[in-house]
Amino acid sequence: AQSVTQLDSQVPVFEEAPVELRCNYSSSVSVYLFWYVQYPNQGLQLLLKYLSGSTLVESINGFEAEFNKSQTSFHLRKPSVHISDTAEYFCAVSLPNDYKLSFGAGTTVTVRA
Amino acid sequence: EAQVTQNPRYLITVTGKKLTVTCSQNMNHEYMSWYRQDPGLGLRQIYYSMNVEVTDKGDVPEGYKVSRKEKRNFPLILESPSPNQTSLYFCASSLPAGQGNEQFFGPGTRLTVL
Repeated sequence: AQSVTQLDSQVPVFEEAPVELRCNYSSSVSVYLFWYVQYPNQGLQLLLKYLSGSTLVESINGFEAEFNKSQTSFHLRKPSVHISDTAEYFCAVSLPNDYKLSFGAGTTVTVRA
Repeated sequence: EAQVTQNPRYLITVTGKKLTVTCSQNMNHEYMSWYRQDPGLGLRQIYYSMNVEVTDKGDVPEGYKVSRKEKRNFPLILESPSPNQTSLYFCASSLPAGQGNEQFFGPGTRLTVL
């Protein structure tokens, strides 16, 4: 079975500073990896995903994540955050051709002016 | 607009009073699922459905039932709610597994059982 560990439960950060959210997974086979974002009082939205190919994936709003197979990690980064990035972020894993998603516990990012 | 809808968004009830949370999607997805979100635990899958009349247990199915009589609808039923089912519930539907597994989530239902 696959599992996900998000290493930080809360990350406070100042506006325009960089942020990194750490995610490690465990699996004996190849996996798909996802980052979802949950803004206050909303459902989850897909931020970005790694299926195969280039290990660096990017989102339209400036986030990027790098798949590192040797370290079984999929850390999320943004070089300069905005107040509007305040949200909870979830890392998730699934097997290719399997619908089941396993989620990490989530990381709450609070951006302060 | 492609979306997953849930009703109600907020619900306060008492122990033992049967309730149903509805979920509907307009994307013609075959796969649908229910999750509960609790602080520090992330999202845990309750039940899922691969297609009409095909449902199966997820990781935390105790105390819940589901049905899938139509492709677009996947209601969650709590026949005798208890306080430990106080949680935030999400319904989701998914692209086919061979197309990247992206799941689309509803806005959530916050349930309080007194």
